[in-house]
Amino acid sequence: DTGVSQDPRHKITKRGQNVTFRCDPISEHNRLYWYRQTLGQGPEFLTYFQNEAQLEKSRLLSDRFSAERPKGSFSTLEIQRTEQGDSAMYLCASSLGRLAQNTGELFFGEGSRLTVL
Amino acid sequence: RKEVEQDPGPFNVPEGATVAFNCTYSNSASQSFFWYRQDCRKEPKLLMSVYSSGNEDGRFTAQLNRASQYISLLIRDSKLSDSATYLCVVNYGQNFVFGPGTRLSVLP
Repeated sequence: DTGVSQDPRHKITKRGQNVTFRCDPISEHNRLYWYRQTLGQGPEFLTYFQNEAQLEKSRLLSDRFSAERPKGSFSTLEIQRTEQGDSAMYLCASSLGRLAQNTGELFFGEGSRLTVL
Repeated sequence: RKEVEQDPGPFNVPEGATVAFNCTYSNSASQSFFWYRQDCRKEPKLLMSVYSSGNEDGRFTAQLNRASQYISLLIRDSKLSDSATYLCVVNYGQNFVFGPGTRLSVLP
């Protein structure tokens, strides 16, 4: 399977704990995105990487959230001191961009569902 | 005001019906426009891009009006398998902004 993979698929944690999600994009894709989606809403942009550089972060991404893409391949999203409001589906997507162009197709993983008790 | 707004839905239509979804966006610098489809408990997938001249893909037709900052999706002869949430997506720079989605249920 050469699609976007995310791990874990489900995570249940207690409030105050730290959690980390991993995303493995499609291998030749240089762009990687993290989104958050809650029930009945569309995906909300969190952050974006071009290779290993984090180029944009949403104001939704509080200081408890951090994302990395150390070698321009897989990415991790860490949430520290989780709160109940962090409960959501965390979606990773990748795309292949050339210069300023963007094909417009984001390939999403199946998501990591977080439940904070 | 949200950056991308869509008809609230849900739309419940019989098989064979024609249904239209509307979307408006607030950022006039937006460059590219798309419709994505999301099945229940699945990830979003690209349905079609939206071009200024309008474009058609089988039973699906997308229109863009830059002056009004408005995008539409028309589905003709709807099938049961069209039941899903349709997400309007606007791109500027490298950011893709998703609307809240409009849920469609096609009934037998």
